[in-house]
Amino acid sequence: GQQLNQSPQSMFIQEGEDVSMNCTSSSIFNTWLWYKQDPGEGPVLLIALYKAGELTSNGRLTAQFGITRKDSFLNISASIPSDVGIYFCAGQELLTGGGNKLTFGTGTQLKVEL
Amino acid sequence: EPEVTQTPSHQVTQMGQEVILRCVPISNHLYFYWYRQILGQKVEFLVSFYNNEISEKSEIFDDQFSVERPDGSNFTLKIRSTKLEDSAMYFCASSGLQGGPQHFGDGTRLSIL
Repeated sequence: GQQLNQSPQSMFIQEGEDVSMNCTSSSIFNTWLWYKQDPGEGPVLLIALYKAGELTSNGRLTAQFGITRKDSFLNISASIPSDVGIYFCAGQELLTGGGNKLTFGTGTQLKVEL
Repeated sequence: EPEVTQTPSHQVTQMGQEVILRCVPISNHLYFYWYRQILGQKVEFLVSFYNNEISEKSEIFDDQFSVERPDGSNFTLKIRSTKLEDSAMYFCASSGLQGGPQHFGDGTRLSIL
């Protein structure tokens, strides 16, 4: 099956630092998404990427869709304590019967030291 | 902002019992999904549902699982005879367009004893 590997698996950074994480896939996706999950909650959509090579920002977050369509990265600038959580990439496939299916990555756990 | 709501937040059930997890998707969305997350692992796709039919299901979604949209607002996942390995967080999601991003609820934690 399709596998999405994220790195690093976890990271411990100082408040104010910039963060970079990436996601690589064994197969091509036409849409990439980044989600954040806080403990006991569902994944919350951060950024959606629809075109290879696209660079998209959402506040302090910037994500890029790799030109090979097999990878994506997420950057967080000037991290703050509420950035703590698990970040998941997800590749999206359209379904012929309707809707789409997400394949999630393995996750990057971010911890911020004050 | 509209959101996906799930009930109950936590369900404890004896092995072999039936369980129904409930979801209210975002009101104008047309595509509905269930995912599962075993503790400490990644989120896994179970099933997608559109136009009152399953459009795709994963290997996990065997004959013990079923989904239903009993009315215009609810979307349910039923596990007919629960097993210990069904213990997980179950997330409902919905999207408004075929390729639109999925929005998730906060999940139901299912514990099988």
